[in-house]
Amino acid sequence: NAGVTQTPKFRVLKTGQSMTLLCAQDMNHEYMYWYRQDPGMGLRLIHYSVGEGTTAKGEVPDGYNVSRLKKQNFLLGLESAAPSQTSVYFCASSYSIRGGVNTEAFFGQGTRLTVV
Amino acid sequence: GENVEQHPSTLSVQEGDSAVIKCTYSDSASNYFPWYKQELGKRPQLIIDIRSNVGEKKDQRIAVTLNKTAKHFSLHITETQPEDSAVYFCAASGGGTSYGKLTFGQGTILTVHP
Repeated sequence: NAGVTQTPKFRVLKTGQSMTLLCAQDMNHEYMYWYRQDPGMGLRLIHYSVGEGTTAKGEVPDGYNVSRLKKQNFLLGLESAAPSQTSVYFCASSYSIRGGVNTEAFFGQGTRLTVV
Repeated sequence: GENVEQHPSTLSVQEGDSAVIKCTYSDSASNYFPWYKQELGKRPQLIIDIRSNVGEKKDQRIAVTLNKTAKHFSLHITETQPEDSAVYFCAASGGGTSYGKLTFGQGTILTVHP
């Protein structure tokens, strides 16, 4: 039982390059999330998903796209990377109980992305 | 959308003292309020959570209180120890059309001095 796994752990991109971050969870969770963490800014929600085939925007969605084609995977794409996207990215997942109420979110180990 | 404000941003206490961190939220439909601890270089991990139908919850030295009317909730750590030093985040998860959305506060850096 691996929990939440993010790939890759580190990446350096040049401005304008594209990349995809992969998040995989093996807990059969409905909800999945992508956050970015910058010093003094906390965890800011980029996009989230409440089920396979669904996605929704968070607080800072611009410059990112996501897809949830399979329940266990949530992909975060950067089409044209910018230095402002230098950050630590965390994926998380959780399950819902009756009425869609959330429960404990489990986080991946993070991806440190640098855009030069 | 939901907005979660957290205070203070930094908190310094002596070992054995109590620490209190406060959060406010904006969406009255929010129904789940977790607290996470993040040690340096690690991922956030849940330390305690509370649902909207409960006013207080305790787990050993940690307690959380919720005031739905005022839309604020607080984390209380008693008898602090140096290993409590970390960044603490509050969060709120929505109901209604924002069900499943999990919004975090800005974080509090807690330092416990021996």
